[in-house]
Amino acid sequence: KAGVTQTPRYLIKTRGQQVTLSCSPISGHRSVSWYQQTPGQGLQFLFEYFSETQRNKGNFPGRFSGRQFSNSRSEMNVSTLELGDSALYLCASSTGPSGLSYEQYFGPGTRLTVT
Amino acid sequence: SQELEQSPQSLIVQEGKNLTINCTSSKTLYGLYWYKQKYGEGLIFLMMLQKGGEEKSHEKITAKLDEKKQQSSLHITASQPSHAGIYLCGADGAGGTSYGKLTFGQGTILTVHP
Repeated sequence: KAGVTQTPRYLIKTRGQQVTLSCSPISGHRSVSWYQQTPGQGLQFLFEYFSETQRNKGNFPGRFSGRQFSNSRSEMNVSTLELGDSALYLCASSTGPSGLSYEQYFGPGTRLTVT
Repeated sequence: SQELEQSPQSLIVQEGKNLTINCTSSKTLYGLYWYKQKYGEGLIFLMMLQKGGEEKSHEKITAKLDEKKQQSSLHITASQPSHAGIYLCGADGAGGTSYGKLTFGQGTILTVHP
C-alpha cells in the first residue's frame, strides 16, 4: 500500500498571503489529522477529520482551517500568513471510525517558510 | 491538559550498545505511540501500546507500557547507526474521545557512533 502523501513538500510564501496544503491518506483510511511542528513548540495537533466532518480541533487561531473530501483526501488552509507560521506541517491517517486509539501513520510533511 | 516528558533529551552511544528512552505522562494513558523521525522529515510509526503491561518488539526495538506509573520505555538492543534519529512518544489522553489528537513529548535525539 502506498503511504500518506503530502503536497507540496516545500513552500515559500510571503507574510499576508494564504496557503493550501494537501494530504492523501493511506487507501482505506478515513481519518486524517494535521499537526504543526516547530523547534520551539514541538508537535502540536491542529485538527482531525473523519468522513468529511471535523471531529476535533487544537488551540490554533481561525486562520487555520481544513476540510476533507469524499475520497478522504484532506486540505488545510492558512490565511494571512505570519512569520510564526513557518513550520513543518504533518498529516497522519488512520482507520479510526471511533475515537479509540488507532495506529496513526504520518506523511513526509510540507515545509512552509514564511518570509 | 496532558503533558509528556521524555528522558533523556539526547543520547550518544557507541554502536553495539543498548539504550533506553523513557516517556512519562502527567495523566492516564489510553494509548501510547512511539515514532522515529529523521530531522525535517515525517514520523515513522514504530509501535502502539494500549494495555498496561503490554510489551511489543520490532527487530531490535522493544517498548513497554506501565499503566500504573503512567510511563513507557523504549529499549534498543545492540544499537546501529541506522537507529540514529529523533524518537518521539505520543499519547492519546482521552480514550474514546481523542479523535485523532495525540500529545507528543519533546523528543529524544539519538546519535550512534560507528
